[in-house]
Amino acid sequence: SQKIEQNSEALNIQEGKTATLTCNYTNYSPAYLQWYRQDPGRGPVFLLLIRENEKEKRKERLKVTFDTTLKQSLFHITASQPADSATYLCALLREAGTALIFGKGTTLSVSS
Amino acid sequence: KAGVTQTPRYLIKTRGQQVTLSCSPISGHRSVSWYQQTPGQGLQFLFEYFSETQRNKGNFPGRFSGRQFSNSRSEMNVSTLELGDSALYLCASSSGDVNTEAFFGQGTRLTVV
Repeated sequence: SQKIEQNSEALNIQEGKTATLTCNYTNYSPAYLQWYRQDPGRGPVFLLLIRENEKEKRKERLKVTFDTTLKQSLFHITASQPADSATYLCALLREAGTALIFGKGTTLSVSS
Repeated sequence: KAGVTQTPRYLIKTRGQQVTLSCSPISGHRSVSWYQQTPGQGLQFLFEYFSETQRNKGNFPGRFSGRQFSNSRSEMNVSTLELGDSALYLCASSSGDVNTEAFFGQGTRLTVV
């Protein structure tokens, strides 16, 4: 069955550093992959979508890469700030329809 | 444009009871998906509705059911509640096309006692 794994449950970094989060998937060849941010007690918020033919995508301080050979996506936050502290989820499309399956997330804590 | 609205925000129920949760998607969106989120399991897909038809279903028991109305609003129902059903239930709406993002509501926090 389709499986998504986000390697770290928690990641602690200092303000100003680059945070790198990893998402691996198996038994699947997704056409695209999405990243979401979730704050405690709230629903996830969409951040970025990257397609299989795109190696890299950027949005402000965020960068996502997608390696279909390694079946892996990396999510980078440069010049991290305490306000970036949240749980970050990667998501893939299920085989039918438009529903997404999510990894369990990585909780990022940025200390000042 | 109004976001996704879920009601109620909080709910406390007793084991054995049933519960109905409601989700109003973004205007114009025809797809509504439901997820259960728990600390141990993360976000787990329950089902997806598109134009009043269930298009996709996750691996949950038959106690979990849903429906979608002609105005795209959706409800999910859980019958014979168990303690393990305590979770944050999230609904997400999208246009229903591939390659589009999902917009989530704030969720309904269900506590079963």
